[in-house]
Amino acid sequence: KAGVTQTPRYLIKTRGQQVTLSCSPISGHRSVSWYQQTPGQGLQFLFEYFSETQRNKGNFPGRFSGRQFSNSRSEMNVSTLELGDSALYLCASRKWDRGGSLETQYFGPGTRLLVL
Amino acid sequence: AQSVTQLGSHVSVSEGALVLLRCNYSSSVPPYLFWYVQYPNQGLQLLLKYTSAATLVKGINGFEAEFKKSETSFHLTKPSAHMSDAAEYFCAVGFSGNTPLVFGKGTRLSVIA
Repeated sequence: KAGVTQTPRYLIKTRGQQVTLSCSPISGHRSVSWYQQTPGQGLQFLFEYFSETQRNKGNFPGRFSGRQFSNSRSEMNVSTLELGDSALYLCASRKWDRGGSLETQYFGPGTRLLVL
Repeated sequence: AQSVTQLGSHVSVSEGALVLLRCNYSSSVPPYLFWYVQYPNQGLQLLLKYTSAATLVKGINGFEAEFKKSETSFHLTKPSAHMSDAAEYFCAVGFSGNTPLVFGKGTRLSVIA
C-alpha cells in the first residue's frame, strides 16, 4: 500500500508570496492532518480535515488555511509568507474511528519551505 | 492541558550500548502513547504505540517502551544501539475522540562507533 505522499518536496518563496502544498493520504484514510516543524518550536499541529470538513485546529494565524477534497486529498495554503514560515510541513493521514478510539497517524516525507 | 516532556534534547551512546530515551506525559484521562522516529530529510515513522492492551510494547527495529502509569512515563529502550539508530525520536500523546496528537520536542540520538 502506498504511503502518504506530499508535493512538492522543496519550495523556495519570497516574503509576501503565497504557497500551496499538497498531500495525498494512504488509500482508505479519510483524515488528513498538517504539522509545521521548526528547530525552535518542534512539531506544531496546524489543522485536521475529515470528510472535507476541518475537525481540529491548532493555534496558527488565519494566513494558514487548508481544504480537503472528496477523494481525501488535502491542500494547505499559506498567504503573505513571512520569514518565520520557513519550515518542514508534514502531512499525516489516519482512519477516522467513529467509535472514538485513536487511530495511528502515518506521516508523509514533508515539504521543505524556505522563505527568503 | 495534556503535554509531553522528553528529557534530554540530545543523547549520545556507544554502538552496542543500551539506548534509553525518556518521555513523561501529563493527562487526566487514559492516554494513547506513541514513539516516532525521524531520519534526516524524512517524515516521521511509527516505532510503536501504546493502547492499554499491554504495558510493555514492542516496536520495530528492536525498540520497546513500557507504560508506567504511576510515573506517567513511557520511556523508549533498545538493548544494543546500532549506527543506523541515529535519528530524532519523538514521543506523542493522544486521546480517544479523534483528537490531535501532542508531540514532545524530540530527542536526537547519536551513536558513536
